[in-house]
Amino acid sequence: GGIITQTPKFLIGQEGQKLTLKCQQNFNHDTMYWYRQDSGKGLRLIYYSITENDLQKGDLSEGYDASREKKSSFSLTVTSAQKNEMAVFLCASSIRGVSYEQYFGPGTRLTVL
Amino acid sequence: GEQVEQRPPHLSVREGDSAFITCTYTDPNSYYFFWYKQEPGASLQLLMKVFSSTEINEGQGFTVLLNKKDKRLSLNLTAAHPGDSAAYFCAVSNYGNEKITFGAGTKLTIKP
Repeated sequence: GGIITQTPKFLIGQEGQKLTLKCQQNFNHDTMYWYRQDSGKGLRLIYYSITENDLQKGDLSEGYDASREKKSSFSLTVTSAQKNEMAVFLCASSIRGVSYEQYFGPGTRLTVL
Repeated sequence: GEQVEQRPPHLSVREGDSAFITCTYTDPNSYYFFWYKQEPGASLQLLMKVFSSTEINEGQGFTVLLNKKDKRLSLNLTAAHPGDSAAYFCAVSNYGNEKITFGAGTKLTIKP
C-alpha cells in the first residue's frame, strides 16, 4: 500500500497573502490532483498533473498556481488568499491507464483572517 | 462536459433500514464509476468502483447498481448502522480520461 501526505494540516493566512500547500505520495502514481471542498459541499478540481512538470487546469484554477516538481510531489499556491476561499484542499493521485480511481490525502484546512 | 447529479443531498434513516442514493450522468461514453465515503472530518475513502460492463456489484453491507440505459448509478446500503453516517459521493469518468466528475454528495445520518 501507499500513503498521501499533505502539509500543513491547518493553514492560517492573512487576506492577500500568498500561501503554499504541499502533497507527497508514495504510491508511485503518475497523476496527481488538487481539489477544493467548501464546507458541506462537493469537490471542485483546481489543477491536475499527469506527469512530472505537467500541469492541466481544472474548473477552479483562477487564483491558484501549481507545481509538479517530481513524480511524488505536487504543490498548490494560493496566489492571493481571500476570505471566500476558506475550505479544505484535498490532494489525490491515480495510476494512468488502469481504472483511474483516485486516492485521497487527509486534506489541508485553510483559514483566511 | 460530463454533468453528474446526485440525489438526495441529505438522507436520514433509522438503524437497520436501507438507504438509497442515486446519481445520474450525461455522457454516454462514461466508463468508470466510483463511490466514495467521507466520514466527518476525514478524507475521501474509495468504497467501490464499477466498470461499464458491471451492472451489480456487492460489497460489505451495500450494493451498487449501474443502469447504462438510463445513465444512472445507485448505492444501496442495506441494514444501516451508525458507522455508515457519512457523506457519500459518486464519481464518473471516461475511458482514458484522467479527470473524474464528482456528484455534489449525500450526507447520510443514521438514527438510533
